[in-house]
Amino acid sequence: ETGVTQTPRHLVMGMTNKKSLKCEQHLGHNAMYWYKQSAKKPLELMFVYNFKEQTENNSVPSRFSPECPNSSHLFLHLHTLQPEDSALYLCASSQVDRGTTDTQYFGPGTRLTVL
Amino acid sequence: SQQGEEDPQALSIQEGENATMNCSYKTSINNLQWYRQNSGRGLVHLILIRSNEREKHSGRLRVTLDTSKKSSSLLITASRAADTASYFCATGTGANSKLTFGKGITLSVRP
Repeated sequence: ETGVTQTPRHLVMGMTNKKSLKCEQHLGHNAMYWYKQSAKKPLELMFVYNFKEQTENNSVPSRFSPECPNSSHLFLHLHTLQPEDSALYLCASSQVDRGTTDTQYFGPGTRLTVL
Repeated sequence: SQQGEEDPQALSIQEGENATMNCSYKTSINNLQWYRQNSGRGLVHLILIRSNEREKHSGRLRVTLDTSKKSSSLLITASRAADTASYFCATGTGANSKLTFGKGITLSVRP
């Protein structure tokens, strides 16, 4: 176990549904990340939160809405998704000092299928 | 644009053989990291090498970094069937907390 948990592990939803993915880190880190992993494509960074402030939004469609209520929890709210949004969504955390990139610890992911 | 690109895309070897995987990148980096992913699971950090380091070891893993060629290699010695997984290189520029990942290499180790 890496100290990062994600729920649910699997999610099937219709295009009109609203659902949320949850991530929790037990490592005392100050940065959290959402990634999207699709087949045959590089890991795509979606959002970055440093000290609960969103510092990165990589042109992600507004149907994905992140929320970081504290440094241990991160949510990804989903609404009116498209079938091409089906992917493995990975959460990660790290300790960021002076903005440098260090080791990231990943959760097991949520396998999302949009029908 | 993609920063890290791994080579080869897929590698199949016999148990006991060594596996060598390469990564090339385009811009200056602060560090380079290798991660492993078992099918459908999260990534697990293997090793980090900083831009002022040339070689690093961790158990059966050996990583090299050549900043003049903007490339890195990951060597797994005496491979085991349990090493079967996807391996990713990721680069950090030091300017922020981001890592940029490549597409990954699929390693299959035959028993």
